Amino acid sequence: SQQGEEDPQALSIQEGENATMNCSYKTSINNLQWYRQNSGRGLVHLILIRSNEREKHSGRLRVTLDTSKKSSSLLITASRAADTASYFCATDRGDDKIIFGKGTRLHILP
Amino acid sequence: DAGVIQSPRHEVTEMGQEVTLRCKPISGHNSLFWYRQTMMRGLELLIYFNNNVPIDDSGMPEDRFSAKMPNASFSTLKIQPSEPRDSAVYFCASTTGNRALRNEQFFGPGTRLTVL
Repeated sequence: SQQGEEDPQALSIQEGENATMNCSYKTSINNLQWYRQNSGRGLVHLILIRSNEREKHSGRLRVTLDTSKKSSSLLITASRAADTASYFCATDRGDDKIIFGKGTRLHILP
Repeated sequence: DAGVIQSPRHEVTEMGQEVTLRCKPISGHNSLFWYRQTMMRGLELLIYFNNNVPIDDSGMPEDRFSAKMPNASFSTLKIQPSEPRDSAVYFCASTTGNRALRNEQFFGPGTRLTVL
């Protein structure tokens, strides 16, 4: 089964609203990364959070990590049409394995 | 910087044919990754190289798949013979620094492979 699993699988919200996506994983990790993929394109790195960090910000992005619950969340504030994409979490388990989830498809409605 | 370059962008071939995908990593990056993406299985790491040496090829599905990195600026992923179930988007990514899996990866645009 997947190490990182995003939830929900798909999300549609109105432009201007906040979007929250979650990632759960099974084993301990060194870090967790979030990536964005626009349709037909490669993945683009958004943010990396290490296992000893609880929260990080980057522009309109806010990532939290709860190692006790083995979960992370990605919050996009004041969403824009350009945020429409798939979002993936990737976990580094420390055994030199990196596992990507299947992603959350985010659609921003005008 | 041109970013990670992959070629071809699209490949359509017939079952049984050999397919070669190419990747040029970002200059100065010492780690290179090959991924496969399908709707059913998501994004899977096939193999990664560090300083041109294959570190982990446990994700390579079977012997029909092989990857090489003859120098720091070029890598190939070869499928021989190809099968319809190999149809997917294949991504190459690169990064720098030690413990490559812990660092931000830069992805290429991908090669969309269709095996008929």
